Amino acid sequence: ENVLTQSPDTLSLSPGERATLSCRASQSVGRNYLAWYQQKPGQAPRLLIHRASSGAPGTPDRFSGSGSGTDFTLTIIRLEPEDFALYYCQQYAASPLTFGGGTKVEMK
Amino acid sequence: QVQLVESGGGVVQPGRSLRLSCAVSGFSFSSYGMHWVRQAPGEGPEWVAVISSDGTDKYYADSVKGRFTISRDNSKSTLYLHMDNLRTEDTALYYCTKSYSADPISFLIHNWGPGTLVTVSS
Repeated sequence: ENVLTQSPDTLSLSPGERATLSCRASQSVGRNYLAWYQQKPGQAPRLLIHRASSGAPGTPDRFSGSGSGTDFTLTIIRLEPEDFALYYCQQYAASPLTFGGGTKVEMK
Repeated sequence: QVQLVESGGGVVQPGRSLRLSCAVSGFSFSSYGMHWVRQAPGEGPEWVAVISSDGTDKYYADSVKGRFTISRDNSKSTLYLHMDNLRTEDTALYYCTKSYSADPISFLIHNWGPGTLVTVSS
């Protein structure tokens, strides 16, 4: 199974700042089938990015994904108040699908 | 508008069985692969199983293989998860989820239901 490690565990930032979240895979992710999800308290996860860098419908432009192989990044260029949440990466190249442990973006 | 509504969760003793259902609307159910994903309290999501649009292909997480069975009834637009020999570590919120694209089987998860809580406890 492809183990995904996210860092940091927590990111403390202020609105308007840039957030950079990392996701590292134990094996290369085929076809860069790497997705990012946002989860707010009491809600289901929401798909933000797929295929490492493609925005899902409705994803604001301030969210961007990059990377390939084993190293991937989610960047939020200017944090809005509604962006403070948990973020998970997930590989969907092969079964079993796996999720990272998550990064919490909290307000400083 | 895509709607996924899970039901069937509850409190069950270890070793017992439970069947979850997911009623869907707002899209052509028979065209999409479907997944179950679970999330234990305070933990990240864990993928459980996927089924192809026609129900012929199924894949499972190692942690549930041989105990859980995913199935679907396209005539009723309903997805199921039959869970046998439940363990305390199966306690979680179980989400019904829809694949992103209308392929026979797609591993990219897009839409999520609100979830149904399964608690395994003696």
